[in-house]
Amino acid sequence: DAGITQSPRHKVTETGTPVTLRCHQTENHRYMYWYRQDPGHGLRLIHYSYGVKDTDKGEVSDGYSVSRSKTEDFLLTLESATSSQTSVYFCAIRDRGKGAYNEQFFGPGTRLTVL
Amino acid sequence: TQLLEQSPQFLSIQEGENLTVYCNSSSVFSSLQWYRQEPGEGPVLLVTVVTGGEVKKLKRLTFQFGDARKDSSLHITAAQPGDTGLYLCAGERSRGATNKLIFGTGTLLAVQP
Repeated sequence: DAGITQSPRHKVTETGTPVTLRCHQTENHRYMYWYRQDPGHGLRLIHYSYGVKDTDKGEVSDGYSVSRSKTEDFLLTLESATSSQTSVYFCAIRDRGKGAYNEQFFGPGTRLTVL
Repeated sequence: TQLLEQSPQFLSIQEGENLTVYCNSSSVFSSLQWYRQEPGEGPVLLVTVVTGGEVKKLKRLTFQFGDARKDSSLHITAAQPGDTGLYLCAGERSRGATNKLIFGTGTLLAVQP
């Protein structure tokens, strides 16, 4: 258990409204990631963070922004939600592990529906 | 561009059967991981393979990394209903350089009792 929680777990919103998803970790991990999971696409990286205030884009970053003002919290914001952003969103942390490989541990996910 | 292709996409088998899931790429990876995901939950790391030709066993699951580090396989012996889930492979292109993993599209396994 990597001590990762996500909130909310479920959200239904309307097109055009802003939405913020929160990822919280309790073990002081440096790297945090946001993915979305859609049928037929597996997990796709949205944004990731390598430290407080240090973030970088993933392969599907358009329409999303992130912020990390504290080590333990990584926020994902949809400034103006669209129906194409209906998905399940997962947060993950990177554990350096024994061999310093990129082993990731995931939160329970947030199911977002944009009507 | 999907760098990691998994096959088959879906697999439905009877309890006790054996199966193999493949994860293929034209790119070389410094490490490759396998995850299992159950409905309504996040993926859970099963194993990491890092050396070409490496074989790792986890009870009835056998993981192999290809000699050229471009592909991997997962073999399950005598499948159980508890093995049901989505299996994902994920690779790191260059150790530590990108800090990112590339995920395959997944293999959905259903084991019928």
